[in-house]
Amino acid sequence: DAGVIQSPRHEVTEMGQEVTLRCKPISGHDYLFWYRQTMMRGLELLIYFNNNVPIDDSGMPEDRFSAKMPNASFSTLKIQPSEPRDSAVYFCASSQRRGYTFGSGTRLTVV
Amino acid sequence: SQQGEEDPQALSIQEGENATMNCSYKTSINNLQWYRQNSGRGLVHLILIRSNEREKHSGRLRVTLDTSKKSSSLLITAPRAADTASYFCATDAQGGSEKLVFGKGTKLTVNP
Repeated sequence: DAGVIQSPRHEVTEMGQEVTLRCKPISGHDYLFWYRQTMMRGLELLIYFNNNVPIDDSGMPEDRFSAKMPNASFSTLKIQPSEPRDSAVYFCASSQRRGYTFGSGTRLTVV
Repeated sequence: SQQGEEDPQALSIQEGENATMNCSYKTSINNLQWYRQNSGRGLVHLILIRSNEREKHSGRLRVTLDTSKKSSSLLITAPRAADTASYFCATDAQGGSEKLVFGKGTKLTVNP
């Protein structure tokens, strides 16, 4: 298994632009999580899905953030419009109730 | 929230000198997990200990859990320079939620 695959690895965008982060979880894992990591705030859970259904989106910062999971093998996290304070590393993780497997992350820089 | 907090924030040791990191949390849990993160990479799951377990081993890792004190420790025996990384504890919520809350981590440096 190739593990959790995230794309892109790095994204630099201008303030106001739309950003879409992508994630392919491990096949057979029924949970998918989006986390954001910054030096100041550490790892924050943004949203998680179970069997493609959003369960808890209380960590999504504001309406500029949205996440979808149209099928068991794909999820997106979209930021529209992006702001400099959104700069962070965004991780996707999947699990089957035995510990998470994380992707390598997307480092987002909004200038 | 029931965030775990690791202690110390940073630890610098020599190769072969055992490394111990601690984690405290606030509310009841089903299980506690430890993860490792190398610089610029994603987190890697190391070990999971359930609330009814007191100690667990995996290779050079030893984890203890004291639910009465709401604390856990991670011991790495005979650490090597390659063990240099940040180590995080993560707790779930009793009641079956799969959601994990992570601490800020301990940055471990093992000097050759």
